[in-house]
Amino acid sequence: DQQVKQNSPSLSVQEGRISILNCDYTNSMFDYFLWYKKYPAEGPTFLISISSIKDKNEDGRFTVFLNKSAKHLSLHIVPSQPGDSAVYFCAVPSNTGKLIFGQGTTLQVKP
Amino acid sequence: ETGVTQTPRHLVMGMTNKKSLKCEQHLGHNAMYWYKQSAKKPLELMFVYSLEERVENNSVPSRFSPECPNSSHLFLHLHTLQPEDSALYLCASSQPGTSREQFFGPGTRLTVL
Repeated sequence: DQQVKQNSPSLSVQEGRISILNCDYTNSMFDYFLWYKKYPAEGPTFLISISSIKDKNEDGRFTVFLNKSAKHLSLHIVPSQPGDSAVYFCAVPSNTGKLIFGQGTTLQVKP
Repeated sequence: ETGVTQTPRHLVMGMTNKKSLKCEQHLGHNAMYWYKQSAKKPLELMFVYSLEERVENNSVPSRFSPECPNSSHLFLHLHTLQPEDSALYLCASSQPGTSREQFFGPGTRLTVL
């Protein structure tokens, strides 16, 4: 059973609007969450993270929200830009250091 | 050169071939990872090395054999692969204890004929 789930395989938004990417997890012991962005033919690059002691972390146009009671986190991108078009993965570190990834959501931002 | 590099970027091999994937990190990290990304599946961890010792082997078939000669280099030796092993193989590194962030290489796109 997948511990980290991204239920929307794709999302399309207009340039300038908000993009909201969602991620659900099953283990309430997870205490740190990361978002990665991946362009075709490149490896994932770290985008933003949040600790479970917070419910919001903001970095420029990117904000991650954490709802621990719902075991849900979301990534907000505002305003969205065409260069944001990529695959976005949420990930959780296990106690052995490995990252457990969601399936990814492909974001397309239309000019 | 900085970051995490992987060679080759693309590899096509037959089922009887032996090949190796190489990963090199120039970040001073002491943990390195191999991940596999198949189409429409999440990234799957294959192996973890910390301080050049394998600390995790995620039930990977023996036709995949990792090697970590030092903290900067990681290899994945491939032998008698199957077509379903065709995937993107990603290497990553991290510095445990200071950050949970992992830095990824660009990946090797492997096709097994």
